Amino acid sequence: GENVEQHPSTLSVQEGDSAVIKCTYSDSASNYFPWYKQELGKRPQLIIDIRSNVGEKKDQRIAVTLNKTAKHFSLHITETQPEDSAVYFCAASIPPTGANSKLTFGKGITLSVRP
Amino acid sequence: DAGITQSPRYKITETGRQVTLMCHQTWSHSYMFWYRQDLGHGLRLIYYSAAADITDKGEVPDGYVVSRSKTENFPLTLESATRSQTSVYFCASRDLTTGRTQYFGPGTRLTVL
Repeated sequence: GENVEQHPSTLSVQEGDSAVIKCTYSDSASNYFPWYKQELGKRPQLIIDIRSNVGEKKDQRIAVTLNKTAKHFSLHITETQPEDSAVYFCAASIPPTGANSKLTFGKGITLSVRP
Repeated sequence: DAGITQSPRYKITETGRQVTLMCHQTWSHSYMFWYRQDLGHGLRLIYYSAAADITDKGEVPDGYVVSRSKTENFPLTLESATRSQTSVYFCASRDLTTGRTQYFGPGTRLTVL
């Protein structure tokens, strides 16, 4: 089955700097890659996603890039702010088939933005 | 997000007891999922359901039972709770046709003593 890995497990940046979080996946059939943000004590929430027919997607200060050949995708956050401090999960999914519509999540990375 | 709820939000139980965690969504989403979240393990899929009366195992199903008699409800039962099942449990749902976004409930923090 699919295996998604995130490294490192923690990342600390200075406010205003950029942060890049990387994930790798194992199943070349995966075609959907969402990123979820989870603030302390809250539920995970989707912040951006990308499909395999697109190499990059942007939404204000966040962007996601996908390298299908290397099987890795990255989350880029520019001009980081203290409210960006959270746990970020990447995930991957193969095309839904019948009753199968699963996401495989990475273990998460804790981003800390220093004021 | 208010469309998917979980109850109870917090639960303390003892080893060997049966516990049922409830999940309810008002969107009529076809897919529903149960995850557990533990430090160092991220979100691990326990069970999922594609529709009423259709369920399947995820990554860590042992010790859990699910049912889905109605589209909007997806209860998770721990038949005989163990300490290793102490965790935060998240329910999620996804629509069949309007995209692949999963929407998570607020979570249930379960402690097994």
